[in-house]
Amino acid sequence: LAKTTQPISMDSYEGQEVNITCSHNNIATNDYITWYQQFPSQGPRFIIQGYKTKVTNEVASLFIPADRKSSTLSLPRVSLSDTAVYYCLVGDMRTTSGTYKYIFGTGTRLKVLA
Amino acid sequence: NAGVTQTPKFQVLKTGQSMTLQCAQDMNHEYMSWYRQDPGMGLRLIHYSVGAGITDQGEVPNGYNVSRSTTEDFPLRLLSAAPSQTSVYFCASSYSKRWSPGAPNEKLFFGSGTQLSVL
Repeated sequence: LAKTTQPISMDSYEGQEVNITCSHNNIATNDYITWYQQFPSQGPRFIIQGYKTKVTNEVASLFIPADRKSSTLSLPRVSLSDTAVYYCLVGDMRTTSGTYKYIFGTGTRLKVLA
Repeated sequence: NAGVTQTPKFQVLKTGQSMTLQCAQDMNHEYMSWYRQDPGMGLRLIHYSVGAGITDQGEVPNGYNVSRSTTEDFPLRLLSAAPSQTSVYFCASSYSKRWSPGAPNEKLFFGSGTQLSVL
């Protein structure tokens, strides 16, 4: 199963673009890359998922290079309300028997400053 | 649509007491799971279930029991609480238990958490 590596924490200022990179050197051919966001005192929520190139939704963009060994979550013009922990999941959410077993790492703690 | 509901939101126990954390979902999800979250540790999987009558261990199952008698409910039992079990507990569910090669992953939906303190 693919192991992911993310920065432990990041600080940013309001209005800036924030990029959080996740390394997953052992990603398998069939693995999708999924990101979750967790606000303080809440459970995580799904924000974006992709397989290759670029995916964009109303919350974020996900950039995946051709070799797929890393991915970058991009948050445009962050505000104080984007302060959260961001988790990257690859492969570790699947068992060999074909069911799900979602394994989260420690995530990246983003703090947005005024 | 209530989604994933956890009760209670807060609980204080004394060492050795038992209790059950409740989790219910109204989305007809096959897959349900329990996590604990400690400061600086991220989310750690305790137990999960791929359907009624089927449960399996996660990363940190010791000290916890689960059962899945219905699709909707997945209670987490602490038989003899210990201070090391002080944590925030999250229940989560997803529509399907089964992934397919080449298909996107199912989304996981979380409850709002239960903050448990064991004195």
